[in-house]
This record gives sequence, C-alpha cells and structure tokens, in this order.
Amino acid sequence: GAGVSQTPSNKVTEKGKYVELRCDPISGHTALYWYRQSLGQGPEFLIYFQGTGAADDSGLPNDRFFAVRPEGSVSTLKIQRTERGDSAVYLCASSGLTSGGSTDTQYFGPGTRLTVL
Amino acid sequence: SQKIEQNSEALNIQEGKTATLTCNYTNYSPAYLQWYRQDPGRGPVFLLLIRENEKEKRKERLKVTFDTTLKQSLFHITASQPADSATYLCARSSNTGKLIFGQGTTLQVKP
Repeated sequence: GAGVSQTPSNKVTEKGKYVELRCDPISGHTALYWYRQSLGQGPEFLIYFQGTGAADDSGLPNDRFFAVRPEGSVSTLKIQRTERGDSAVYLCASSGLTSGGSTDTQYFGPGTRLTVL
Repeated sequence: SQKIEQNSEALNIQEGKTATLTCNYTNYSPAYLQWYRQDPGRGPVFLLLIRENEKEKRKERLKVTFDTTLKQSLFHITASQPADSATYLCARSSNTGKLIFGQGTTLQVKP
C-alpha cells in the first residue's frame, strides 16, 4: 500500500513569508509525528498527534510554528514569518499505535526541504 | 540533559567486513533503543528495536546489542555490501512514542 507522502517535496520562500507543509499518513494510522532535520543532524521532534488532537507539542520551537490535523488523517505544519534558521527538511511519520506508543514502528515520509532565503 | 550520541565521523570499511556503529546515552536509562537507516533525500526507515532486558537482537545480517552498564548500544552489519552505505540513526522512544535521535553515523562500504 501507499506509504507516508509529503508535499511539496521542495519549498523555497523568502524571509517573513508564511508556508504550509502537508503530510498524508498511512491510511488508518492514528499517530502522526512531525520532525525537523538539519544537515548532518538527526531528526528533531516537533509535535505528535493522536487522532485529531496534539498530544505533545513540546518540540515546537516557538509560536511561529503550528500544526493541525482536523480530521485525524492529513496534517499541515504551518510556519509564520519564516526565518533563515527555519531552513531544514521537515519529516512526517505515522504509526498504528498497536502496542501503546513507545515500541510502535514509525513510518517516515520523504520530507519537505524548506529553504528560506 | 538526557543525550543520545553517535560518532559523527563517517565510517569507511571494505566490502565483506563487519561494520560496527556506536550509540551512547547519558543521564537516563531508556527502556528501548531503535535503529534506523536513512538514505540521501529519504526519510528514516526502521531496522531494529531492542529492549533494555534484551542483550542482543538479530535480523538477517544485522545485530544490535544493548549494554546498560556501559550505557551503550552497538549496531553491527556483517558481510557488509556497498548497498549498506547509508546514514544509521540511533533513537530512544518516550512513552508517547516520540523519538529522540542521535546525530547519525554515515557508513561507506567500498567494493
């Protein structure tokens, strides 16, 4: 079946602009995670959804970052007033939460490469 | 702070040899550690999970160990192949499932 998909694959924007990044998880997966990965680093957790609600948003760096998952499937990560330091690959992952969270396999999408000029 | 650390230097080995990658953690005792593979331009792909009460886990040519005394996990690829060249990420998972990754180690297997 289809894996996790993310659009766009690349996004170039100017400093100060607003961007939206979309994630389509694997059908039926209740848990959805957003991560951010800078060059040469491992992914860094941003936010976790269980169904429609944000169960853990402790990784969002500041209030310019916001994410939604209104119907419990597709999620959108929104970044306001983008800064050059926001440039990174934004990864989305989903899991089926078959065993209660900490051991469920996360399936990652290919990421969106965001470049802020 | 709770850290998970991997050797950031690239590992270069000859085809057929065993590759060994290291993951160290400090200031906490994770119940699980996970290993992922990441190819350029792609998201990480899950490989293995090992629990703290498991000394060793195997999957085909892959082997992971978990030493709670040394606070270390080792990831081995036996009979390495050029196709094994990638970045390998170690991660611990929280109760909610969010992953905290190390910085990754890039493996290059030369034919």
